[in-house]
Amino acid sequence: NAGVMQNPRHLVRRRGQEARLRCSPMKGHSHVYWYRQLPEEGLKFMVYLQKENIIDESGMPKERFSAEFPKEGPSILRIQQVVRGDSAAYFCASSPTGDGYTFGSGTRLTVV
Amino acid sequence: AQSVTQLGSHVSVSEGALVLLRCNYSSSVPPYLFWYVQYPNQGLQLLLKYTTGATLVKGINGFEAEFKKSETSFHLTKPSAHMSDAAEYFCAVSGVRGGADGLTFGKGTHLIIQP
Repeated sequence: NAGVMQNPRHLVRRRGQEARLRCSPMKGHSHVYWYRQLPEEGLKFMVYLQKENIIDESGMPKERFSAEFPKEGPSILRIQQVVRGDSAAYFCASSPTGDGYTFGSGTRLTVV
Repeated sequence: AQSVTQLGSHVSVSEGALVLLRCNYSSSVPPYLFWYVQYPNQGLQLLLKYTTGATLVKGINGFEAEFKKSETSFHLTKPSAHMSDAAEYFCAVSGVRGGADGLTFGKGTHLIIQP
């Protein structure tokens, strides 16, 4: 079992560009969660998805951020028109039942 | 609503000494409690979790934690620190659905091991 795969590991974007972060959950896991980690901070919940459905997006910024988990393929976290404040580590976690996470290694986004 | 407070952003102990990382939580429902470890540029690895039952929970790498409802605490301990324990440690809480409603994390404690 390959675990939760996130790519890319590192992503550099200029201000105003779009960032697309991918997360492939563990095989058999249908629950996906995205978290953001700012420097010197803990992880902050962003969004919880099941296949083709957003269950809870209470932690997502209201603008520029979106997430999806299509029937086929990885979950995508999309950040449009990135700003320097979006620089952070973004972690994905998956679960088979909504209990007991496995985290990926994260994508470190740097906005220049 | 839930919250987690980790006392001490940095904790330094000597190799072989007791490790104690403090975590206090607040939760309006019976909590599920977690400790994660993060090594530099890595993801989070689950050390241990409390859901129900025995309040003393044993995890990987010799760590354990005790759920004390009266003190709303879930402190992490290890009897004898090893150099490889140097990392960032996060305490987290979730509601009765386990992680289904998302975890609330503390800000983390950086554990430093002195030789």
